[in-house]
Amino acid sequence: GAGVSQSPRYKVAKRGQDVALRCDPISGHVSLFWYQQALGQGPEFLTYFQNEAQLDKSGLPSDRFFAERPEGSVSTLKIQRTQQEDSAVYLCASSLSGSGSYNEQFFGPGTRLTVL
Amino acid sequence: AQTVTQSQPEMSVQEAETVTLSCTYDTSENNYYLFWYKQPPSRQMILVIRQEAYKQQNATENRFSVNFQKAAKSFSLKISDSQLGDTAMYFCAFMKPLRGAQKLVFGQGTRLTINP
Repeated sequence: GAGVSQSPRYKVAKRGQDVALRCDPISGHVSLFWYQQALGQGPEFLTYFQNEAQLDKSGLPSDRFFAERPEGSVSTLKIQRTQQEDSAVYLCASSLSGSGSYNEQFFGPGTRLTVL
Repeated sequence: AQTVTQSQPEMSVQEAETVTLSCTYDTSENNYYLFWYKQPPSRQMILVIRQEAYKQQNATENRFSVNFQKAAKSFSLKISDSQLGDTAMYFCAFMKPLRGAQKLVFGQGTRLTINP
C-alpha cells in the first residue's frame, strides 16, 4: 500500500508570503504528527492530531503556524507571513492508533521550505 | 522534559566493518521507548530498531543491535558488516508511551558514511 505522501516536495517562498504544506497519511491511520527539521538537526515535534482533533500543539513556534485535519485524513500545515527562520524540512508522520502502548510512526518524505 | 544527545556528528568506516553510534538521554520516566531511525539522502525517515525500557534484553534486527544501559541512560547502535546502503543520517529518539500524543524526541543525529 501507499506510504505517507507530502506535497509539495520543495517550496520557495519570499519572506512575508503564506505557504500551505499538505500531508496524506496512510489510509486508516488515526494519528498524525508534524515535525520541523532544521538543517543539520533532528526533527522537532510541532503538533499532533487524533482523527480531526488537534490534541497537542505545544511545539508550534508561533501563532503564524496553523495546522488542520478537518476530515480526519489529509492534513495541512499553514505558515503565515513566512520568515527566514521558518526555512526547514517539514515532516509528517502517521500511526495506526492513538491508544495502546506503542504505535509505530511512518514518515513522509518531507517538504523542504526555503524562505528568501 | 526529555532530552536526547548524540555526541558524534559524523562517522566514517570501511565497508564490512562494524560501527557503533552513541546516544544518551535524560528522563525521569521509568517506562519509555527508545529508537534508532535512519534518514538516507532522500529524506524518508525509516525505523531501524526499537527498545522498550522495561525489557532487559537488547533488541536485535539482523545486522543492527543495541546496547541499552538503563541506569546509565545510554542507548548505542551497533551496525555489523556495514554496507554501502547504510550510509545515512542516524537519529536516536525517545518516546513516552502515552495514550494519544506519542511524540518522538530526537537527538541531533550522526552522519554515517560507509566507504567502499
